[in-house]
Amino acid sequence: DTGVSQNPRHKITKRGQNVTFRCDPISEHNRLYWYRQTLGQGPEFLTYFQNEAQLEKSRLLSDRFSAERPKGSFSTLEIQRTEQGDSAMYLCASTPASTGELFFGEGSRLTVL
Amino acid sequence: DQQVKQNSPSLSVQEGRISILNCDYTNSMFDYFLWYKKYPAEGPTFLISISSIKDKNEDGRFTVFLNKSAKHLSLHIVPSQPGDSAVYFCAAQDRGSTLGRLYFGRGTQLTVWP
Repeated sequence: DTGVSQNPRHKITKRGQNVTFRCDPISEHNRLYWYRQTLGQGPEFLTYFQNEAQLEKSRLLSDRFSAERPKGSFSTLEIQRTEQGDSAMYLCASTPASTGELFFGEGSRLTVL
Repeated sequence: DQQVKQNSPSLSVQEGRISILNCDYTNSMFDYFLWYKKYPAEGPTFLISISSIKDKNEDGRFTVFLNKSAKHLSLHIVPSQPGDSAVYFCAAQDRGSTLGRLYFGRGTQLTVWP
């Protein structure tokens, strides 16, 4: 399978704990995005990488959130001191440089108790 | 503020009939529109797109219509099949923003019954 891969698929944690999600994009795609989807809403943009450079961050990405893409391959999204409001589906997507059509992974669902 | 609006949370259609999903937007800088389909426990899957220089784009059973003056687009599925049952998201790209930074509606749950 050469699609976008995310893990873990589901993470349950207690408030205040740190969590990290990983995304492996389609190998030839140099643009990588993180989106968040909460219940009853559509996906919302969080951040974007071109190769290893993080070029844009949404105001939704508070100081507790950090994303990296070392070497321009896989990416990680870390949430520190989780809050119940962080409960959501975290979606990773990738795309070739020439198109805005995003290829999404299956998502990582976070539940903060 | 919701710049892309899907005002119908659900739509139920009989197999073989036409499904029409609607989407409205408020930002006049949007110049590229996409529809995504999402099954439970899966990520959204790209379905079809349209540039603002066109008013129609067709791909098999799926056709997207764009009315720029009304800031409205619609997705037509003909004929509808039970496998089309999913949540459909309308999304838009702002010409002034990062490629791939999309604004999504809240989705419409389509149910196609036999």
